[in-house]
Amino acid sequence: KAGVTQTPRYLIKTRGQQVTLSCSPISGHRSVSWYQQTPGQGLQFLFEYFSETQRNKGNFPGRFSGRQFSNSRSEMNVSTLELGDSALYLCASTKEPGQGNEQYFGPGTRLTVT
Amino acid sequence: AQTVTQSQPEMSVQEAETVTLSCTYDTSESNYYLFWYKQPPSRQMILVIRQEAYKQQNATENRFSVNFQKAAKSFSLKISDSQLGDTAMYFCAFFFIQGAQKLVFGQGTRLTINP
Repeated sequence: KAGVTQTPRYLIKTRGQQVTLSCSPISGHRSVSWYQQTPGQGLQFLFEYFSETQRNKGNFPGRFSGRQFSNSRSEMNVSTLELGDSALYLCASTKEPGQGNEQYFGPGTRLTVT
Repeated sequence: AQTVTQSQPEMSVQEAETVTLSCTYDTSESNYYLFWYKQPPSRQMILVIRQEAYKQQNATENRFSVNFQKAAKSFSLKISDSQLGDTAMYFCAFFFIQGAQKLVFGQGTRLTINP
């Protein structure tokens, strides 16, 4: 079974631009979560999507948004990029949310904002 | 607040040795799940082991085992017969059934296995 895939793997953007990242979960997994990883803040939860609905949200500004499609694929969008948004963005999929099931991570998208 | 603390920023051992990584947490909840994840230099986060808080028996996966002390709020990972491929950042993480229902991670321990 294929693992979680994320595209693109690397991105370089300029301050003020916007960016869209994509995540395809493991087949049969219906929940997708997004995490931001930085050296200073570590791994922080962004949001979770299930059945095309945002189920849970972390403490990030409204510039960070996401969506999920009917095939469970998810996208996250960051508008008006800031230098501090430079990070590794990880998505994780799990079969069902809220049950402590294993979350499987993708390889991440490395975003650099200049 | 639910916090996770990994008190060892870095550790280094020789190949074939046994190493234990520490993790403590603070929560008032009684129902949660605990995980150890490994992140090698490739940055791919890999699930190592999962423990259910209501289970007394400690989880094991091949060379990896945990020592879960619920009363002490401690969840350590033991790696036996360490291998060069075990070199990675190790994160402990918790999933709390009540409240936010998200993975809360510790700051990580950088483990180096030396030949």
